[in-house]
Amino acid sequence: AQSVTQLDSHVSVSEGTPVLLRCNYSSSYSPSLFWYVQHPNKGLQLLLKYTSAATLVKGINGFEAEFKKSETSFHLTKPSAHMSDAAEYFCVVTKAAGNKLTFGGGTRVLVKP
Amino acid sequence: ETGVTQTPRHLVMGMTNKKSLKCEQHLGHNAMYWYKQSAKKPLELMFVYSLEERVENNSVPSRFSPECPNSSHLFLHLHTLQPEDSALYLCASSQEAGLAYEQYFGPGTRLTVT
Repeated sequence: AQSVTQLDSHVSVSEGTPVLLRCNYSSSYSPSLFWYVQHPNKGLQLLLKYTSAATLVKGINGFEAEFKKSETSFHLTKPSAHMSDAAEYFCVVTKAAGNKLTFGGGTRVLVKP
Repeated sequence: ETGVTQTPRHLVMGMTNKKSLKCEQHLGHNAMYWYKQSAKKPLELMFVYSLEERVENNSVPSRFSPECPNSSHLFLHLHTLQPEDSALYLCASSQEAGLAYEQYFGPGTRLTVT
């Protein structure tokens, strides 16, 4: 079985400050991990994915995430938040083969001017 | 906007109605998916189609009936729904089924069952 926990349901940051979204996963096999973003009234967009290559993964829009097996974590970071980063972010885990993505509960990010 | 479109964007229906949600992808993909996004619950995979054949059905009630007439179109037929079925229904597609391939999502249909 696999599961994913996003530790914060809401995160509020000021524009220009760093963003940290926390994600812990549970998996009985080597997982693949993803971060998706969902802007209001839009579908989900893939930010980045980890599939057992480099543990530090760079994604779109300046985001990156680090896979830490010892901590079973895959936290998402960005050095400097922009107003357009206000959205909901989903951490996703799955096994290497198969079709099923398991989504976390989401973290809603608010960016203050 | 992505290459995946969904219609209608909003739907209100009574419990005795029959309606259909439509998804179309313009990306030349071979796999399509239906997801349900409820308030305060994680996104749930409902169905997976690969080359018009259903390859996964995640214990979805029979009042939801998917149809994939070709690799570009996916429908979700709804009948005798319950209020707890109110949610955002998202369609996605990928080059092939399987997680090596990125899924592209549509904007969703916001369904309200009264």
